[in-house]
Amino acid sequence: DTGVSQDPRHKITKRGQNVTFRCDPISEHNRLYWYRQTLGQGPEFLTYFQNEAQLEKSRLLSDRFSAERPKGSFSTLEIQRTEQGDSAMYLCASSLGAPTEAFFGQGTRLTVV
Amino acid sequence: DAKTTQPPSMDCAEGRAANLPCNHSTISGNEYVYWYRQIHSQGPQYIIHGLKNNETNEMASLIITEDRKSSTLILPHATLRDTAVYYCIVSTGNQFYFGTGTSLTVIP
Repeated sequence: DTGVSQDPRHKITKRGQNVTFRCDPISEHNRLYWYRQTLGQGPEFLTYFQNEAQLEKSRLLSDRFSAERPKGSFSTLEIQRTEQGDSAMYLCASSLGAPTEAFFGQGTRLTVV
Repeated sequence: DAKTTQPPSMDCAEGRAANLPCNHSTISGNEYVYWYRQIHSQGPQYIIHGLKNNETNEMASLIITEDRKSSTLILPHATLRDTAVYYCIVSTGNQFYFGTGTSLTVIP
């Protein structure tokens, strides 16, 4: 197992475009988390799934953001009508439930120009 | 939001023990103390977690006070590769609030 995998690693997009990121968790991990990290700050929680169910969403997750985990395996995070303020590192993590440790991927760095 | 207080930065000499403190005076009975670290431009790396007993693994030791209001992460023999931002988090495991952490610099 190679750990949590995120794709792409870097994305540059023009303001107003839609972008989609993918996260492949560690096999058999039933929990999957999305976080966002801006420069100089710690990661901020966005949402998490248990299997295919999205159980919690942060107020940071505006209506332009949508996350899915259709078969309880990989997950996608879509941002519609991107804004410059969306520029950040988007991190995915997975775990075997709580309170076990979560393992993070290397993130997708989004730059909105 | 972050429920922990950590010093913003610390230095440690290479080969010495690094002791990173964390205050979490409002911790609830079902919340664990987790430690992660993040090296520049990488995803956070899990270090250790505990509920109330002290814990040790191959990376570090976690000392939690009896009242659980504070804890200390100990890196027994710091190396240059331990230079990173260290986050202390209290959580039930459902979500983590990272705060701004402690930037540890290991000095040769």
